Amino acid sequence: QVQLKESGPGLVQPSQTLSLTCTVSGFSLTSYNVHWVRQPPGKGLEWMGRMRYNGDTSYNSALKSRLSISRDTSKNQVFLKMNSLQTDDTGTYYCTKSPNWGQGVMVTVSS
Amino acid sequence: DIVMTQTPSSQAVSAGEKVTMSCKSSQSLLYSENKKNYLAWYQQKPGQSPKLLISWASTRESGVPDRFIGSGSGTDFTLTISSVQAEDLAVYYCEQYYDTPYTFGAGTKLELK
Repeated sequence: QVQLKESGPGLVQPSQTLSLTCTVSGFSLTSYNVHWVRQPPGKGLEWMGRMRYNGDTSYNSALKSRLSISRDTSKNQVFLKMNSLQTDDTGTYYCTKSPNWGQGVMVTVSS
Repeated sequence: DIVMTQTPSSQAVSAGEKVTMSCKSSQSLLYSENKKNYLAWYQQKPGQSPKLLISWASTRESGVPDRFIGSGSGTDFTLTISSVQAEDLAVYYCEQYYDTPYTFGAGTKLELK
C-alpha cells in the first residue's frame, strides 16, 4: 500500500538549513506528485511546494527564495531543503501524495 | 496567490446536529474545460495527520461516511455534516489545487457544546 515517511533532524539552529527526506513506497515518483505541507504548533496548514511526476517543482510564494525540493527516483525519496531558518519555521512537516499523508516530522528551530 | 477564507473559525455543536461551514476562494476554482472545481476538504484530529474527506468539491473519498457532504462551485463552497458524531470533533480545512501555489484556508474547529 501507499506509504510516505518523513525523516530529518528534530532540532535546527536559527539561520541554519533544514534538510528533510520523504521516503515513499507503493507508488512511483515518476507517476505521481508529492507535496510538502507544514504546520506550526497549534496553527493551520501551509502548502510549501510540490515535486511533480515529471520532475518539475512549484513553491509557496513566501518561501520560494529559501526553499528547494528535489528527488532521487532510484531511492524513492523526495527531499526538502530550506535555508535561513527562524523560530517561526518551527512545526510539523508533512509529505503527501493525495490522498495519503506521512505521519509528519516535528522540527524545532532553537539555539 | 489564491486566498481561501473559511468561516466560522470555530463552532460549538451537539451530537446529532447538522453543521455547515463555508470556504470562499478569491478566484474561481472551476476549470471550464472539465467543469471540475479544484477544491478539497480535510479533517484533522489532534496529534494526527490531515485526512482527505472530499475532493473535486463534492466527491467523498472511499470510506468517508455519507454524512459528510461537499457542495458549491466557483468561489463558494460548503462542507455539511448532516448529523455530527462525537468522532467528528476536529479541525476542517479547505484547500484549492486549481493553481500553484496551492493554498489552505485557516480552518474551522468543531467543538463540543
